[in-house]
This record gives sequence, C-alpha cells and structure tokens, in this order.
Amino acid sequence: DTGVSQDPRHKITKRGQNVTFRCDPISEHNRLYWYRQTLGQGPEFLTYFQNEAQLEKSRLLSDRFSAERPKGSFSTLEIQRTEQGDSAMYLCASSLLNTGNTIYFGEGSWLTVV
Amino acid sequence: GQQLNQSPQSMFIQEGEDVSMNCTSSSIFNTWLWYKQDPGEGPVLLIALYKAGELTSNGRLTAQFGITRKDSFLNISASIPSDVGIYFCAGQTYSGAGSYQLTFGKGTKLSVIP
Repeated sequence: DTGVSQDPRHKITKRGQNVTFRCDPISEHNRLYWYRQTLGQGPEFLTYFQNEAQLEKSRLLSDRFSAERPKGSFSTLEIQRTEQGDSAMYLCASSLLNTGNTIYFGEGSWLTVV
Repeated sequence: GQQLNQSPQSMFIQEGEDVSMNCTSSSIFNTWLWYKQDPGEGPVLLIALYKAGELTSNGRLTAQFGITRKDSFLNISASIPSDVGIYFCAGQTYSGAGSYQLTFGKGTKLSVIP
C-alpha cells in the first residue's frame, strides 16, 4: 500500500475555469476527508465521506465546490468558476474507524488561480 | 469554533539540542495527533495519542496527551538537520454525523543550525 495519493500534484488555471482533483485513499479505509491549506496556516476541514456518503460539509465549502465518492473508494473534488482566493493546497486524507480513526494525509494538490 | 494555540511559532536551535513545543485549547479533544510537514508536501503523521495522560514515544520524539484533554506537548531529543520543517498539532473530536474532524494549530516552524 502506497498511502493516500492525489492527482494532479500541481495545477495552474485561469480564473473562471473549472478544476477537478482526484484522491485515492489507503485501501480499505472507509473514511475520506478533504482539507484546504493556505500559506502559513494549518489545514482546514472541508468535507468528509463515510464510504460513499458525504456526511458533513464545512462552511468553507461554497456552492462552487462539489465532492463525490461514487463507489466508496476514490473521491473527486471539483471547483467551478475558480477565483484567485481558491489558490491553496487541497489535501485528501483517509482513515479506518476500527483502528482509532487515525487520519493519514496525501501529498496534496497545489492550485494556483491566475 | 474550536481553536488550538500552538507555541512557539518558530524556533532556531543548534543541532543536537532538544526541542519542545506545545498546544493548548479551551476545548476538550478525544485524540491528539502531531504531524510534520515539509514544503510542498502533505502532513506526515508522527504520533497519535488516544487517552488522557498518555505518553508515547516514536524514536527521538515523545508526546503527551494532557490530563485535562485540552493540551499536548511534543519533544524532540538530539535534533538533526532533517528535523527541519513545520510541526502541527491537531485535536480530533467526534462531532455531528461522526465526522471526526481535525482542528489544527498554526504550526511550529523548526530550523536546525548545523
């Protein structure tokens, strides 16, 4: 197992374009999280899935953001009509409830909106 | 919302010295975790603490979960150059639809002088 993987690692996009990030969690982890991190800050919670169900969303997740986990395995995070304020690192994480729910992060996807 | 106060914000130490950093909160957490993040990478889990009063070691790292469940510290002994990075504490709570959110501190930036 190679841990949580994210793709792409870096994305530069023009304002107004849509972007999509993919996350593959650790195998058999039933919980998947998206966090956002800006420079000089710790990660902030965006949303959480248990299997395929999206159970919680942060107020940070505006209507332009949508996340899916259709088969309870990989997840996608789409940002529509990107704005410069969306520039950040988007972190995916996963955990397995029965092992203390320790949360493991991927390497992140850097988004730069120009 | 919940906030974690992490200190110090940054520190410069000589190689071989011991390091101590801590996090405090006005809220109770069920789990404390310590992560290290290198530039452009995702946070890497160092130590997870599950019980109040728990003291756990991982090589040269030692962390404790405070008795009140509102604080934690991380010590690094005999620092080496590869310890350079940003260390984050994170408190985990079981909330809402069981989301197990992490609340992060703002990080301690560690620089090691050879």
